[in-house]
Amino acid sequence: DTEVTQTPKHLVMGMTNKKSLKCEQHMGHRAMYWYKQKAKKPPELMFVYSYEKLSINESVPSRFSPECPNSSLLNLHLHALQPEDSALYLCASSQDTAFYNSPLHFGNGTRLTVT
Amino acid sequence: AQSVTQLGSHVSVSEGALVLLRCNYSSSVPPYLFWYVQYPNQGLQLLLKYTSAATLVKGINGFEAEFKKSETSFHLTKPSAHMSDAAEYFCAVSDPMDSSYKLIFGSGTRLLVRP
Repeated sequence: DTEVTQTPKHLVMGMTNKKSLKCEQHMGHRAMYWYKQKAKKPPELMFVYSYEKLSINESVPSRFSPECPNSSLLNLHLHALQPEDSALYLCASSQDTAFYNSPLHFGNGTRLTVT
Repeated sequence: AQSVTQLGSHVSVSEGALVLLRCNYSSSVPPYLFWYVQYPNQGLQLLLKYTSAATLVKGINGFEAEFKKSETSFHLTKPSAHMSDAAEYFCAVSDPMDSSYKLIFGSGTRLLVRP
């Protein structure tokens, strides 16, 4: 069982919809991440939150809006997405952003389809 | 910038045979290295990590990897493949000199296990 929980598991949305992806961890980790993974590709980093503050934005389009309400929760708000945004969205957490000491723990992802 | 190359997008072995998945990194400074496994419709799970301690690293599920600085390699091995090992495997690198602590993934290798 994964210690990082993502909801929903699947999401289908139209290009004019607004939806949110949710991620929760209770391991006391202070770094949380959003990754995007297209089929047969490695995960691509989107955002990093460290101690509830956005520390890395990998030039992600503004139609993706992250939010970290507290140290256990991470949201990704979606608006006006394009079909090419269809992918598996993975949330991850780590004790902090220093990977030598704290590898990533991934959730099982949300499979997003934009129609 | 750090990068990691995984040779072979697909590797096929018979059940009980040796598993060898190749990973080479590009850096003059030894990075932190990781192997992750992704089973279908799941997130990534850490198999093992190298963080400048012992060069032979043992991980979960019988996997191990050896860090070879002279070859800039971190190949993943398992003496005897099991059907349950069929999955996508990602090598990843983190640069200890990079304050952003980004984790860079290789392109992945799909392991197929034949009965």
